[in-house]
Amino acid sequence: GENVEQHPSTLSVQEGDSAVIKCTYSDSASNYFPWYKQELGKGPQLIIDIRSNVGEKKDQRIAVTLNKTAKHFSLHITETQPEDSAVYFCAASRSNTGFQKLVFGTGTRLLVSP
Amino acid sequence: GAGVSQSPSNKVTEKGKDVELRCDPISGHTALYWYRQSLGQGLEFLIYFQGNSAPDKSGLPSDRFSAERTGGSVSTLTIQRTQQEDSAVYLCASTPLGGWGDTQYFGPGTRLTVL
Repeated sequence: GENVEQHPSTLSVQEGDSAVIKCTYSDSASNYFPWYKQELGKGPQLIIDIRSNVGEKKDQRIAVTLNKTAKHFSLHITETQPEDSAVYFCAASRSNTGFQKLVFGTGTRLLVSP
Repeated sequence: GAGVSQSPSNKVTEKGKDVELRCDPISGHTALYWYRQSLGQGLEFLIYFQGNSAPDKSGLPSDRFSAERTGGSVSTLTIQRTQQEDSAVYLCASTPLGGWGDTQYFGPGTRLTVL
């Protein structure tokens, strides 16, 4: 089955710096890759996703890149702000399961210091 | 509108007791998922509902775990004879149709502690 590895487990940056979180997946049939942000005491919230037919997607300060050949995808946050501090999870799924069976990475705790 | 709600928010129980965790999905969402999040780990898929049926329950860790959904809405996850390794946050998510590209909307979770 699918296995998703995520690095780093913790990331500390200064406000205004960029942050990059990387994930690798094992199943070459995976074709949907969402990123979730989880704040303390809350459930994960989708922040951006990418499908395998594109290599990059941007939404304001957030971008995701996908390298299908290498089977890895990354989350890029620019101009980080203290409110970006949270745990971020990557996930992968394949469309032929008939539903969205997500396999999650183990999470990255991002701390943005003022 | 209202999001996904879960109750209780916290549950402390003794080893060997049964517990029931409840999930109220977003109104009109046909698909519902249960996940388990252990300390320092990612989310682990447990079961998926489409309407009231569960086409995939492959993630349930043992036969002590069961889930049902009634009226295409509320779902209950039941853990019988709880063990300490069952301690985790149990998250529920719902999606409008259950299709591959749907966004999963998560509830805040139930933190289960088994003493």
